[in-house]
Amino acid sequence: QKEVEQNSGPLSVPEGAIASLNCTYSDRGSQSFFWYRQYSGKSPELIMFIYSNGDKEDGRFTAQLNKASQYVSLLIRDSQPSDSATYLCAVNVDSNYQLIWGAGTKLIIKP
Amino acid sequence: IAGITQAPTSQILAAGRRMTLRCTQDMRHNAMYWYRQDLGLGLRLIHYSNTAGTTGKGEVPDGYSVSRANTDDFPLTLASAVPSQTSVYFCASKRLAGESYNEQFFGPGTRLTVL
Repeated sequence: QKEVEQNSGPLSVPEGAIASLNCTYSDRGSQSFFWYRQYSGKSPELIMFIYSNGDKEDGRFTAQLNKASQYVSLLIRDSQPSDSATYLCAVNVDSNYQLIWGAGTKLIIKP
Repeated sequence: IAGITQAPTSQILAAGRRMTLRCTQDMRHNAMYWYRQDLGLGLRLIHYSNTAGTTGKGEVPDGYSVSRANTDDFPLTLASAVPSQTSVYFCASKRLAGESYNEQFFGPGTRLTVL
């Protein structure tokens, strides 16, 4: 069974520090990887996606992909209280355009 | 306003009743999805449709049915609701080609309680 694993948290980080969120996946054939943010009571929204090994930066967010080790991570620099949310990792595993989702990591940024 | 709408926002339903959750998108996306989200389990795919007229089963399809008569609408029906179907239901859509073809956009969700 194809799986995506995340630490459920909560992960507590001081304001201004770097938050590091990790995700591992089981299917070596996975092609693309996504990080979504979900505020309590709201729907998920896309933060970043990544296809190639290495780092991809977008503002305060950096996604890192290591296909050999089958993990993808999200770094949030200069964390703000507004970053407090649950972060969902999703992996596209087949040509049917479907995503397999992790259960999410709850992030708390302490002022 | 471009996006996905879902109705109802929330519903309390007696076990055994039939219920249809509505989903409409105005972005002309090819693919549409229904997920349920339960605490600690993340999003689980119920059914999907890659184009109007076709549907497929996801990870947890039992007890649910869908139809895709046109591009915009993708209703989810619970034929005979059971308490284990208590959950938050999200509809999502995605363009299958073009600039942002990989992003799934989500509706606001329907909170369903089956008693």
